[in-house]
Amino acid sequence: DAKTTQPNSMESNEEEPVHLPCNHSTISGTDYIHWYRQLPSQGPEYVIHGLTSNVNNRMASLAIAEDRKSSTLILHRATLRDAAVYYCILRDKVGGATNKLIFGTGTLLAVQP
Amino acid sequence: GAVVSQHPSWVICKSGTSVKIECRSLDFQATTMFWYRQFPKQSLMLMATSNEGSKATYEQGVEKDKFLINHASLTLSTLTVTSAHPEDSSFYICSARDGRFYVGTQYFGPGTRLTVL
Repeated sequence: DAKTTQPNSMESNEEEPVHLPCNHSTISGTDYIHWYRQLPSQGPEYVIHGLTSNVNNRMASLAIAEDRKSSTLILHRATLRDAAVYYCILRDKVGGATNKLIFGTGTLLAVQP
Repeated sequence: GAVVSQHPSWVICKSGTSVKIECRSLDFQATTMFWYRQFPKQSLMLMATSNEGSKATYEQGVEKDKFLINHASLTLSTLTVTSAHPEDSSFYICSARDGRFYVGTQYFGPGTRLTVL
């Protein structure tokens, strides 16, 4: 599986936008980019995923570089409840439902009031 | 979104005993379920992948005789930690994917914290 690189930690102020970067220079043409987050002592929570085009949902936006070698998760207005570890994960669409999500170290986001 | 439940949420057991953890998909059929383990301040580590009605596929380094996985139905998978020892103390998280979708979103349970004394 292609690997991703994320900063270990980031800080943000409440109600400000947050841009969480992810590098995936060895991404293949069939890899989807997934983002999950994990709050303390909880299981991971799905945030968003995309392939080539930018994606928006009620939680966040995903901006994907034109060459797909990097992406950015955007939280438009951070709240204290957004403090979590954010994981950027690649998953190959080939092979269907059995393809695994392999977690890296993620980015620990701290949100200051 | 879809809901995955785990039971129990926490368990304390004595060394040498076996512990069973249940994982259920509540509102969708999970053709594939995954089991992860997470030690404090570390990331999730995939232990095994199970498909309904077939044997689980274990990741390298995970003892299949120690971590027994059964995926008997489309909504239930169980992980049994046999002859548990203190080093098995960890946060165990299951995950399920709706097999109807080609790029199915993977949903995670809330986790089970196992403490072996």
